[in-house]
Amino acid sequence: DGGITQSPKYLFRKEGQNVTLSCEQNLNHDAMYWYRQDPGQGLRLIYYSQIVNDFQKGDIAEGYSVSREKKESFPLTVTSAQKNPTAFYLCASSIVPGPDMDNEQFFGPGTRLTVL
Amino acid sequence: GQNIDQPTEMTATEGAIVQINCTYQTSGFNGLFWYQQHAGEAPTFLSYNVLDGLEEKGRFSSFLSRSKGYSYLLLKELQMKDSASYLCAVRGDDKIIFGKGTRLHILP
Repeated sequence: DGGITQSPKYLFRKEGQNVTLSCEQNLNHDAMYWYRQDPGQGLRLIYYSQIVNDFQKGDIAEGYSVSREKKESFPLTVTSAQKNPTAFYLCASSIVPGPDMDNEQFFGPGTRLTVL
Repeated sequence: GQNIDQPTEMTATEGAIVQINCTYQTSGFNGLFWYQQHAGEAPTFLSYNVLDGLEEKGRFSSFLSRSKGYSYLLLKELQMKDSASYLCAVRGDDKIIFGKGTRLHILP
């Protein structure tokens, strides 16, 4: 089955530790995205990538880092510099946007990160 | 600045019709999306509008007016499983911006 996977679903870390969240897709999508969602809030864009070996900061990139070494994979590292890392993290992928194209984003199941 | 506004919460009765509004101000416009998100789960795609007018998909319809920066999602024959958050999102010049979502409660 084609889809997008994130693991683990729940993750606990101690304050001050870096943690990497995985995101893999087999949809052959060029574009991948990381969002953060806090209770009662919409999705806020952390980083996105439209092609392998290239990525751009979103609205809240501080304290996060990403890599895009393979088309299928877009891991997100939450560093100790992120002041409020506890949140629900969602990865998504899509075809690269073109004019008038219905390029919906497909979301993974999310990872709920709790920093103790 | 860029902004998407939608009501925080709405309540409706099973079997009824509900309209969820969304207004937006963005740098560029290349389409508007509606997503449904159940608590603790990922959003799932409902609809996409890029031209003015109404798009109908079964019980769900979405309307767009680009000149007014306005969209609505219309849900008919509400079912209990429609209890969820509904996210309005706009594709601007280079990325998609999401609203905070409207939490819809369905009463029996």
